[in-house]
Amino acid sequence: DAGVTQSPTHLIKTRGQQVTLRCSPKSGHDTVSWYQQALGQGPQFIFQYYEEEERQRGNFPDRFSGHQFPNYSSELNVNALLLGDSALYLCASSATGGANTEAFFGQGTRLTVV
Amino acid sequence: AQSVTQPDIHITVSEGASLELRCNYSYGATPYLFWYVQSPGQGLQLLLKYFSGDTLVQGIKGFEAEFKRSQSSFNLRKPSVHWSDAAEYFCAVGTSTGANNLFFGTGTRLTVIP
Repeated sequence: DAGVTQSPTHLIKTRGQQVTLRCSPKSGHDTVSWYQQALGQGPQFIFQYYEEEERQRGNFPDRFSGHQFPNYSSELNVNALLLGDSALYLCASSATGGANTEAFFGQGTRLTVV
Repeated sequence: AQSVTQPDIHITVSEGASLELRCNYSYGATPYLFWYVQSPGQGLQLLLKYFSGDTLVQGIKGFEAEFKRSQSSFNLRKPSVHWSDAAEYFCAVGTSTGANNLFFGTGTRLTVIP
């Protein structure tokens, strides 16, 4: 079991550009959540996808959008990048239904905006 | 709205000494509480979780945490720290058992000295 995999691991973008980050959930998981972790901070919830739809959203602008594919993998898109978007972006997957489901996190994508 | 406070930004302990990391939360309903650990350059690993029932929960790597509703606390403890425990520790509160909209504290960095 490969767990949650994210790609790329690192990337550098220029202010104003657009970026796409990818996440493959753990086998058997159908729900994907995205978090932004700025340097020295705890992760902040961006949004969650289930059944290919955004189900919940945190306090992030519309520049942040996402998608979930039929195989449950997900993408996070950020448009019009700002310097403040530099952060570690974490993907977490979980399985719906049942009690005591657990979220598993990927190792993250380190985005640097210059 | 949820909030999590981790009052200790950085803690240093000697190897073999006991450890307690503090976490206070604010949430109007029954909270789902989590402790995660993050090693440098890594994603988050779940140490333990509290959903209901016994207020003393056991986790991986010899960690335990106690939920105290009257104090709105969920402190993490370990009786004897190992050098490999050096990492960043995050307390989180959620409204469900999965990764839905977890609200994280700012983290406590643990340094272990020989």
